[in-house]
Amino acid sequence: GENVEQHPSTLSVQEGDSAVIKCTYSDSASNYFPWYKQELGKRPQLIIDIRSNVGEKKDQRIAVTLNKTAKHFSLHITETQPEDSAVYFCAAPRPGTASKLTFGTGTRLQVTL
Amino acid sequence: DAGITQSPRHKVTETGTPVTLRCHQTENHRYMYWYRQDPGHGLRLIHYSYGVKDTDKGEVSDGYSVSRSKTEDFLLTLESATSSQTSVYFCAISVGTADMNTEAFFGQGTRLTVV
Repeated sequence: GENVEQHPSTLSVQEGDSAVIKCTYSDSASNYFPWYKQELGKRPQLIIDIRSNVGEKKDQRIAVTLNKTAKHFSLHITETQPEDSAVYFCAAPRPGTASKLTFGTGTRLQVTL
Repeated sequence: DAGITQSPRHKVTETGTPVTLRCHQTENHRYMYWYRQDPGHGLRLIHYSYGVKDTDKGEVSDGYSVSRSKTEDFLLTLESATSSQTSVYFCAISVGTADMNTEAFFGQGTRLTVV
C-alpha cells in the first residue's frame, strides 16, 4: 500500500517568515495530493490540493509543489501569521482506490510574534 | 461541513464493553470512512464503505467492525473496548469516484476514552 512520510514533525517560525513542509510518497501511481490543516480541537480541513498533471498550485499565501520523479510534494506558506499555527497533514490516495487516503504523521507549525 | 455529524462527541467507557459510534450524512455521498487519530500517527484508516452493505477493512481494523445499512449512516463498533482504543475518531466522506480521487470531508470527531 501507499506510504507517506512527512517532515518536520514540528516547525517554529517567526511571523512573516516562510514555512515549508515536505512529504514523500511511495506509489508512483498516486495522482492526488491534498493538504489538511487542523486547529486545536477541530476537524482536519482541506487547504490546498494538487493533481499529478501539474507541478505547482498557489492560493494566496499557500502553495503546493509536486515532484513526480522524486515522489515528493511540499506545502509552502509565505508571510506566516499567528492564525497559521496548527497541525498540517499531507495525504496521498491508496493505489487503485477512490479517495482512501494515507496520511502523513503531521507537522505542528507554531508562528511566533 | 458537508452535512456530516458524529455522535456521541465524547464518551468514556469501561474496558470490555461494546461501543458504537455513529456517522450521519445528509448529502447522499457514496464513500464513507472511519479514521482514528493518535499523537505521532496522524490519521489511520479503520474501515471504509463504498455503499450500502459494501464495506472493507483499512490498515487498523482489528477490534473494530462497521455496518452501513443505509446510505446516510455508517456505524463503527468496538466489540470489546480496550485502553489502546482510546483515541479521537473521525468519520469522513468523499465526493470522488472509483477513478477520480478527491478530498475527504471530516466530521467533528468523537473523543473516546476507555478506562
